[in-house]
Amino acid sequence: EDQVTQSPEALRLQEGESSSLNCSYTVSGLRGLFWYRQDPGKGPEFLFTLYSAGEEKEKERLKATLTKKESFLHITAPKPEDSATYLCAVQGGGGADGLTFGKGTHLIIQP
Amino acid sequence: EAGVAQSPRYKIIEKRQSVAFWCNPISGHATLYWYQQILGQGPKLLIQFQNNGVVDDSQLPKDRFSAERLKGVDSTLKIQPAKLEDSAVYLCASSEDHYGYTFGSGTRLTVV
Repeated sequence: EDQVTQSPEALRLQEGESSSLNCSYTVSGLRGLFWYRQDPGKGPEFLFTLYSAGEEKEKERLKATLTKKESFLHITAPKPEDSATYLCAVQGGGGADGLTFGKGTHLIIQP
Repeated sequence: EAGVAQSPRYKIIEKRQSVAFWCNPISGHATLYWYQQILGQGPKLLIQFQNNGVVDDSQLPKDRFSAERLKGVDSTLKIQPAKLEDSAVYLCASSEDHYGYTFGSGTRLTVV
């Protein structure tokens, strides 16, 4: 059974204070690791997909990295508008394509 | 490009009543998913459709939940009878290539 554990559960940062969110996973045959952003009352919004260990992707102040056991979402010089819940999910090697999500990290950036 | 449309946005029902949710995916997306997101949790897959057919419904509580996808486009998810523990946000997502998912805003269900 695929499993995803995210830490910390919640994180409060000052504007401009860089940090990292962790996603540890166990999966049979990783096909993809996904990062989503979710704002209150909205559905998850796609950020990145990583496919193999060593891969990195960047978008504005966000950078995602992947190893064989975990992924990190690095947030550089965050702004208040980066406040959201960040969800990590894996797609395993079975025949179906559904994602297994972690519980998310609730990020608050204070001005 | 229009997104994934879901309705209603909110629904409050009493336990043992029935309820249905509707989803219209992005045009041309062959794969459609229903997820359940309980407060404070990540989304959990309920069912995956590929065109009209069911690919995975292993986590769907089939004694009370049912879903169908009409003509490979719109989909409905039904709960009958509802229980208190079904209170959650029901998210619909669609995908063109099994990798890029787009989620709708969801239907928030409260069972009282």
